[in-house]
Amino acid sequence: NAGVTQTPKFQVLKTGQSMTLQCAQDMNHNSMYWYRQDPGMGLRLIYYSASEGTTDKGEVPNGYNVSRLNKREFSLRLESAAPSQTSVYFCASSESGDEQYFGPGTRLTVT
Amino acid sequence: QKEVEQNSGPLSVPEGAIASLNCTYSDRGSQSFFWYRQYSGKSPELIMSIYSNGDKEDGRFTAQLNKASQYVSLLIRDSQPSDSATYLCAVRPGGGADGLTFGKGTHLIIQP
Repeated sequence: NAGVTQTPKFQVLKTGQSMTLQCAQDMNHNSMYWYRQDPGMGLRLIYYSASEGTTDKGEVPNGYNVSRLNKREFSLRLESAAPSQTSVYFCASSESGDEQYFGPGTRLTVT
Repeated sequence: QKEVEQNSGPLSVPEGAIASLNCTYSDRGSQSFFWYRQYSGKSPELIMSIYSNGDKEDGRFTAQLNKASQYVSLLIRDSQPSDSATYLCAVRPGGGADGLTFGKGTHLIIQP
């Protein structure tokens, strides 16, 4: 039982490049989330999916898109990366929307 | 903007003592409250959840909730050096919204 897994662990992009962060959970949870964590800012919600087939914006959605591919997988796409998107990205999942369990994170640097 | 406030610390506590971490929140409609522990370079780990007023104990950890004062706290008894970490308070906003609002965290240092 791996819980929540994320790939890649590290990534360096140049400004304007695109990439997709992958997340998968094996806990049969309905809800999945993407957060970013920046020094001095805490964790902030980018997008979430309350169930398969639905997605909604969080606090900081600009510059990102998401896809809930199936119940297990929730991906985050940066279409044109900017230095302001340098951050640590965490995926999380939850059965009910309350207790959330986090993946190991992706450290992204945009130069 | 719904906010969760924590003292950033560092909070330094001797080994074996009680560490007390505090959090206030602005959304009076919030119903669900959580404490996460985050070691440097690692992901947040859920350690306590609390949904009703009063105390909830789990091993050396006690979470306390006072909805009237919009205040959540975490007590760690018999603090160990391995408890040194950043503790994040998280709140699920009311009104059926999904996602958690996090405080910026309190850096706790347990002195051997």
